[in-house]
Amino acid sequence: EIVLTQSPGALSLSPGEGATLSCRASQSVRSNYLAWYQQQPGQAPSLLIYDASSRATGIPDRFSGSGSGTDFSLRISRLEPEDFAVYYCQQYGSSPWTFGQGTKVEI
Amino acid sequence: QVQLQESGPGLLKPSGTLSLTCAVSGGSISNTNWWTWVRQPPGTGLEWIGEIQLSGSTNYNPSLKSRVTISVDKSKNEFSLKLSSVTAADTAVYFCARRAGGAYSFFDYWGQGTLVTVSS
Repeated sequence: EIVLTQSPGALSLSPGEGATLSCRASQSVRSNYLAWYQQQPGQAPSLLIYDASSRATGIPDRFSGSGSGTDFSLRISRLEPEDFAVYYCQQYGSSPWTFGQGTKVEI
Repeated sequence: QVQLQESGPGLLKPSGTLSLTCAVSGGSISNTNWWTWVRQPPGTGLEWIGEIQLSGSTNYNPSLKSRVTISVDKSKNEFSLKLSSVTAADTAVYFCARRAGGAYSFFDYWGQGTLVTVSS
């Protein structure tokens, strides 16, 4: 099983600032099959990024994903009020599909 | 726009069997998609439980495999989860979701989730 470790556990930032979230895999992720999700309180996760760097439909370009192999990042260039949430990375290159423990981006 | 909606009892006793159904609307349960269950214990992260295709092919998380059964009913456009011998550790919000596009694909549509509490 691939273990995904996200860092930091929480980020305290202000609107307009940038954020960089990290996701490290315990082994190489096949074909960089890594996704990022945003979860607001009381809601289901929603897809932001897939294949490590492709934005999902309707996702603004202030969200960008990068990385390969075992090290991946999600960058939010200018935080909007609606971006304060929990972010999860997830690998779908090797079953069982696994998630990181999440990074909370808070004001 | 595909929509998924979970339903089932919100409270069950230890040693019982959790049973949930996910209704799919806005599209059919086609054979190319994987129909998935994910859970989230209160205040913690996400755990993939397992999934099924229309053909009946299943894929389960080894950590839960001995207790999980996922089935699909094409005529009703829904799929179901059964988790046996539940304990308090199975208390979680259970989400159904879709993985589209083949063996290696991400979760693109999610249900809103349903809280299941295991308590005597």
